[in-house]
Amino acid sequence: SYELTQPPSVSVSPGQTASITCSGDKLGDKYVSWYQQKPGQSPVVVIYQDNKRPSGIPERFSGSNSGNTATLTISGTQSMDEADYCCQAWDSSTAIFGGGTKLTVL
Amino acid sequence: QLQLQESGPGLVKPSETLSLTCTASGGSISSSSYSWGWIRQPPGKGLEWIGDDNYSGSTYYNPSLKSRVTMSVDRSKNQFSLKLSSVTAADTAVYYCARRAGGSYPEYYFDYWGQGTLVTVSS
Repeated sequence: SYELTQPPSVSVSPGQTASITCSGDKLGDKYVSWYQQKPGQSPVVVIYQDNKRPSGIPERFSGSNSGNTATLTISGTQSMDEADYCCQAWDSSTAIFGGGTKLTVL
Repeated sequence: QLQLQESGPGLVKPSETLSLTCTASGGSISSSSYSWGWIRQPPGKGLEWIGDDNYSGSTYYNPSLKSRVTMSVDRSKNQFSLKLSSVTAADTAVYYCARRAGGSYPEYYFDYWGQGTLVTVSS
């Protein structure tokens, strides 16, 4: 079965750029969505279809997808961005989620 | 603004059937542009897609759960539901209902989520 692999944790200093990766076989041939989840809250989509931002999501969130890796980039990271981030793609009519990455802003 | 709210028992005994309902407000689930689905998250773990039900009544299930899952949509009540049979402790999780958007496969994504409800499987 298809798998998406994410690093368990990423750390970034306030104001710097955070990059969170998501790896899968020929992932660049699929569309990737990214979800932000803060403790005790429901996930929120921050990027869909590789690089589109829903209304209300700050411009500092961007996404890319090529080859075997999709990347969520947060420019000018703020303390409010500290959360778990999870990638998602579809394979064989099944939604696949990555294991999630905890972003720490310190 | 669409809102989704899960409801159902928070405790289910092993081997029994878990039943949850999601009620939509602020929007109709009758739109053909969307599907309505369920996603769960075991405590401290990642998200797992359970399945979707779309306007035409076509359902799509996670192959790993398909034999135990039933989904349905009641447009008259603006609700959709999940049944998961023969539950075990491994089914203990926060269950989210969600709207699937994106137009066509494989562009789908989940744009609205309920607040989630914890279901514990224990005797």
